[in-house]
Amino acid sequence: GAVVSQHPSRVICKSGTSVKIECRSLDFQATTMFWYRQFPKQSLMLMATSNEGSKATYEQGVEKDKFLINHASLTLSTLTVTSAHPEDSSFYICSAALAGGSTDTQYFGPGTRLTVL
Amino acid sequence: SQQGEEDPQALSIQEGENATMNCSYKTSINNLQWYRQNSGRGLVHLILIRSNEREKHSGRLRVTLDTSKKSSSLLITASRAADTASYFCATNGGYNKLIFGAGTRLAVHP
Repeated sequence: GAVVSQHPSRVICKSGTSVKIECRSLDFQATTMFWYRQFPKQSLMLMATSNEGSKATYEQGVEKDKFLINHASLTLSTLTVTSAHPEDSSFYICSAALAGGSTDTQYFGPGTRLTVL
Repeated sequence: SQQGEEDPQALSIQEGENATMNCSYKTSINNLQWYRQNSGRGLVHLILIRSNEREKHSGRLRVTLDTSKKSSSLLITASRAADTASYFCATNGGYNKLIFGAGTRLAVHP
């Protein structure tokens, strides 16, 4: 149980286009989902916390107008990278916390590798 | 911002040897967690230790926590080639988010 999926697993896009990444909790409901970015050989950096039915909370230095997050249901959060540039190329990982539970346990998706040409 | 540091950054050992990784953090925490990441993949939760615990075991894993020194260690005993991965500690300060350390890249050679 507690499986999180991400789609797509990898995407290549042209500079200036927008890319949407989906994060789904497959067998549980998630009140809170988290979005991380990971550059090669580096750690995960939290970008934002996504709460179902409310606005996302962004970490310092993360542009909310560039990284649009929507958490429309208890099983789906989306991250849209708008007007993507080569420096946005990275590995994006989401995680989900069980509704009604604490965030002690987060379940991570397999990640999405974004390459912007 | 990143919570803390891990050392070593990279560790290379032979199968059967033990691997020890250390993690330091800066602020108070509710719990500390260790994760594993195979190259280019998602994270796998290994073990969680709460701030009132000092040591925890899970199979070949042993985790210690010293809140006075704000540090933790992960010991993998009798390592296997399949243990080759990056290992990250993450702290939960009670603000509903995990802050990850820099990670240790472990290579276990047959």
